[in-house]
Amino acid sequence: QKEVEQNSGPLSVPEGAIASLNCTYSDRGSQSFFWYRQYSGKSPELIMSIYSNGDKEDGRFTAQLNKASQYVSLLIRDSQPSDSATYLCAGGTASKLTFGTGTRLQVTL
Amino acid sequence: SAVISQKPSRDICQRGTSLTIQCQVDSQVTMMFWYRQQPGQSLTLIATANQGSEATYESGFVIDKFPISRPNLTFSTLTVSNMSPEDSSIYLCSVGLAGVYEQYFGPGTRLTVT
Repeated sequence: QKEVEQNSGPLSVPEGAIASLNCTYSDRGSQSFFWYRQYSGKSPELIMSIYSNGDKEDGRFTAQLNKASQYVSLLIRDSQPSDSATYLCAGGTASKLTFGTGTRLQVTL
Repeated sequence: SAVISQKPSRDICQRGTSLTIQCQVDSQVTMMFWYRQQPGQSLTLIATANQGSEATYESGFVIDKFPISRPNLTFSTLTVSNMSPEDSSIYLCSVGLAGVYEQYFGPGTRLTVT
């Protein structure tokens, strides 16, 4: 069974710190990887996509992909209370994504 | 991205009845998907809605229980049939745009079966 694994958390970081979220996947056929943010009671919102090995930066967010290790991560710099949410990692192809169970992030004042 | 709407946003239904959920997109999209998210859990793909042909269902989901229609490139429906309390969940549609792998989600339909 193709899986995406995440630590459920909660991951607690102080405001202004770097939050590091991690994800591993089992399907070596996965071509694309995504991070979604989901606030309680809301639908998932796409925040980062990454397709090739290395880092991809977008504002305060950096996604990292290591296909050899089957590992994806998301770094959030200068964490804000508004970043408190569940972060879902997903991997797959254009025809199917598999989602992890999510990591709950709490940014404390 | 695309603007996606779902109707209804929430509903409370009785056991044994059926509910049809609509998903409307503001532009033509290549792929449309239906997911279920049970309380405190992640997203599970129910099926891919194919325009002009039968939907492609994932293991554990069958057409008789979750019939899907996709009459054009901007609209799809998911019906939850003969509901039981175990069907209580959030149902989400998502879309994939041509040439990209990203999926964008609608606001979801929160279904409670009593």
